[in-house]
Amino acid sequence: DTGVSQDPRHKITKRGQNVTFRCDPISEHNRLYWYRQTLGQGPEFLTYFQNEAQLEKSRLLSDRFSAERPKGSFSTLEIQRTEQGDSAMYLCASSLRWGADTQYFGPGTRLTVL
Amino acid sequence: TQLLEQSPQFLSIQEGENLTVYCNSSSVFSSLQWYRQEPGEGPVLLVTVVTGGEVKKLKRLTFQFGDARKDSSLHITAAQPGDTGLYLCAGYRAGSYQLTFGKGTKLSVIP
Repeated sequence: DTGVSQDPRHKITKRGQNVTFRCDPISEHNRLYWYRQTLGQGPEFLTYFQNEAQLEKSRLLSDRFSAERPKGSFSTLEIQRTEQGDSAMYLCASSLRWGADTQYFGPGTRLTVL
Repeated sequence: TQLLEQSPQFLSIQEGENLTVYCNSSSVFSSLQWYRQEPGEGPVLLVTVVTGGEVKKLKRLTFQFGDARKDSSLHITAAQPGDTGLYLCAGYRAGSYQLTFGKGTKLSVIP
């Protein structure tokens, strides 16, 4: 399967702990996106990479959040000192070209902060 | 204010019925995408529409992009239980690379 993959699929953590999620995009896709989706809402943009460069961050991405894409392939999203409000589905997507290009989503990581 | 307004928010219909879901905005979009999402999974792309007035068909699903590229609709003919899911519209505003999503329409098709 050459789709977008995410790991883990589910994560339960206690408030104050750090968590890290991984996303492997479709190979040869230069663009990688992170979104957050809460219950009853559509996905909300968090950040975006073109190759290894992080080009944009939403104001939703507080300083407790950090994302990397060190070699322009897989990406990680880390949340430090988790809060209950961080509970959500974290989605990763990738696309081949710039701009109005189709984004393909992974299955998501469901985070529950107790 | 939601940039993309989807209606209805919830829809429960009997198998075999037809339905239409709407996605509206006051902004112009360079393209719109429709996704279907099942619980606990990521959105799965159904179609991308790019040209104003464009109509695309995918089996029993018909997608239309408004002439002014501010709205779109999804019509399902003879709905089946397998059509159950959350239907999301998403679009790129002209000049932007950020994909903006609506809140979705939760469809339940009852056998």
